[in-house]
Amino acid sequence: DTAVSQTPKYLVTQMGNDKSIKCEQNLGHDTMYWYKQDSKKFLKIMFSYNNKELIINETVPNRFSPKSPDKAHLNLHINSLELGDSAVYFCASRRDGYHLGQYFGPGTRLLVL
Amino acid sequence: GESVGLHLPTLSVQEGDNSIINCAYSNSASDYFIWYKQESGKGPQFIIDIRSNMDKRQGQRVTVLLNKTVKHLSLQIAATQPGDSAVYFCAETPPSNYGGSQGNLIFGKGTKLSVKP
Repeated sequence: DTAVSQTPKYLVTQMGNDKSIKCEQNLGHDTMYWYKQDSKKFLKIMFSYNNKELIINETVPNRFSPKSPDKAHLNLHINSLELGDSAVYFCASRRDGYHLGQYFGPGTRLLVL
Repeated sequence: GESVGLHLPTLSVQEGDNSIINCAYSNSASDYFIWYKQESGKGPQFIIDIRSNMDKRQGQRVTVLLNKTVKHLSLQIAATQPGDSAVYFCAETPPSNYGGSQGNLIFGKGTKLSVKP
């Protein structure tokens, strides 16, 4: 009964490859997010998405694209992977309304060689 | 741009002592703040939140204090336990004109709390 799940947990790949990370939430939440956490533990938002609007952090390269097949899923697709993309990627979700706390998934550890 | 930061990157306390983790934020228009705990190898876990119309909020063994005058946020953990060892993040929600229309959070740099038995 995991609330926010991500697959895979670990991803090791070569530069130039295209990869996807999947995220699912079973909380019935309205908005989902992707964050990148670097080696210094700094968490930075990449995207936020609900059925009305996609907000993209302007610093995110266009090689990254979120794809939402339905309200419970927000996948992250990355084209032409670069060494600097190595990081931990977290998915999160939140229910619209007063409480703005986001619930995070366990993370996907991406290593680009 | 404006961002949230932490005064101390690391904090070491003795088991049973109280811990205080501090955070300074620069966006005076932010109206919602959250503390997260991240254990090694896991995602951030919600601890406690506070809105800007409050200056104190208590949870189980944790208290968050908000001082809007000096834009300072703190997390107090009572009777710190080994299981409290983790990295703690404060986060703020800026108003909609700063990308806050979907409750986007801006995270601080994190403080690593180590509890000595």
